[in-house]
Amino acid sequence: NAGVTQTPKFQVLKTGQSMTLQCAQDMNHEYMSWYRQDPGMGLRLIHYSVGAGITDQGEVPNGYNVSRSTTEDFPLRLLSAAPSQTSVYFCASSTGGLNSPLHFGNGTRLTVT
Amino acid sequence: QQQVKQSPQSLIVQKGGISIINCAYENTAFDYFPWYQQFPGKGPALLIAIRPDVSEKKEGRFTISFNKSAKQFSLHIMDSQPGDSATYFCAEGASTGGGNKLTFGTGTQLKVEL
Repeated sequence: NAGVTQTPKFQVLKTGQSMTLQCAQDMNHEYMSWYRQDPGMGLRLIHYSVGAGITDQGEVPNGYNVSRSTTEDFPLRLLSAAPSQTSVYFCASSTGGLNSPLHFGNGTRLTVT
Repeated sequence: QQQVKQSPQSLIVQKGGISIINCAYENTAFDYFPWYQQFPGKGPALLIAIRPDVSEKKEGRFTISFNKSAKQFSLHIMDSQPGDSATYFCAEGASTGGGNKLTFGTGTQLKVEL
């Protein structure tokens, strides 16, 4: 059982480049989300989705786009990378509902130079 | 802005000791308070969670204490072990708004020394 799979594990971008961080889950979870983790800031919610075709903004959505065409996949797109987007990005999924735990992937470490 | 304040930022405890991490929240609309544990190179994983109608929840060596009037909750790790060395995040969630969006604290790096 793979759980939540994130690719790539590491990425270096130049300012202005675009890229897509991939996230896939095999647990048939309705809810998926993206967080970024920065030192001293904890985990901050970027975007989330409560099901295929439905997405919404979290706390820090600027500079990021998402779409949810299937239950399994929830890619995060950086349209024009900036140094402020240097971070570790985590994708998470759950069955939805308040008490259901978030299942996190192992993260993508992104550096923007 | 951070809506849940977590302290301390880092903590060193001797093996067998008690580790205590504290969190304070502001908005009483939140009614779900989990703790997540993260090892280096891995994503966070749910450790234990509590709702405000319960003052304490214990799972093995891990206990959450909840003080609704003070809007504070804490994680106690009894008989701390080197394998408990990790980063711990408290979080808060609300039953309104759909899904299970969580707001996380800033994290506490725990080191348990032999």
